[in-house]
Amino acid sequence: SQKIEQNSEALNIQEGKTATLTCNYTNYSPAYLQWYRQDPGRGPVFLLLIRENEKEKRKERLKVTFDTTLKQSLFHITASQPADSATYLCALDEGNTGFQKLVFGTGTRLLVSP
Amino acid sequence: GAVVSQHPSWVICKSGTSVKIECRSLDFQATTMFWYRQFPKQSLMLMATSNEGSKATYEQGVEKDKFLINHASLTLSTLTVTSAHPEDSSFYICSAIPLTDNEQFFGPGTRLTVL
Repeated sequence: SQKIEQNSEALNIQEGKTATLTCNYTNYSPAYLQWYRQDPGRGPVFLLLIRENEKEKRKERLKVTFDTTLKQSLFHITASQPADSATYLCALDEGNTGFQKLVFGTGTRLLVSP
Repeated sequence: GAVVSQHPSWVICKSGTSVKIECRSLDFQATTMFWYRQFPKQSLMLMATSNEGSKATYEQGVEKDKFLINHASLTLSTLTVTSAHPEDSSFYICSAIPLTDNEQFFGPGTRLTVL
């Protein structure tokens, strides 16, 4: 069956450290993968998109990697801050239904302590 | 940046009544909007794809007669939950794709509680 797995356990880290979140998927062949931030009671906010032919993408303190052989994406936040505390969702396209139809993981909650 | 609004932000209704939720793209036009549902501590689940001027496409297991979607203009899609039941209580989120882009912009969500 098709699955997108993110660590359901909250990730607790100290301010200034690098947070690394994992997204694994099975039985999908996505053309791209996206990462979103979601705060409690709010809709997701787009962070980064990485395509299947890209290994790594960076945006300010954020870095995403995409390994289509391992079927895994890693999301890094360097020099983390308490304001980075939120739930982070990965999403991928279903691969054969067009560019826009996304399937989301359950998200990983990140808590950054001062 | 592209902004999507939802109204209302929260609603409480009695079982058996109908509730309408609006999704608007404020500063862009969108031929395609999506409706998602999110239960506590769960993933966003796509309910339907709404295309301006045509019938919505519903995901498997989503009752089209219960969740009525209307996309009457390039800036507005509505979701009506008909004959609501307590199990319909959830967080409903819409997203929209600009005509000139492929990125989805999400609304802030609507919290529905059915008593």
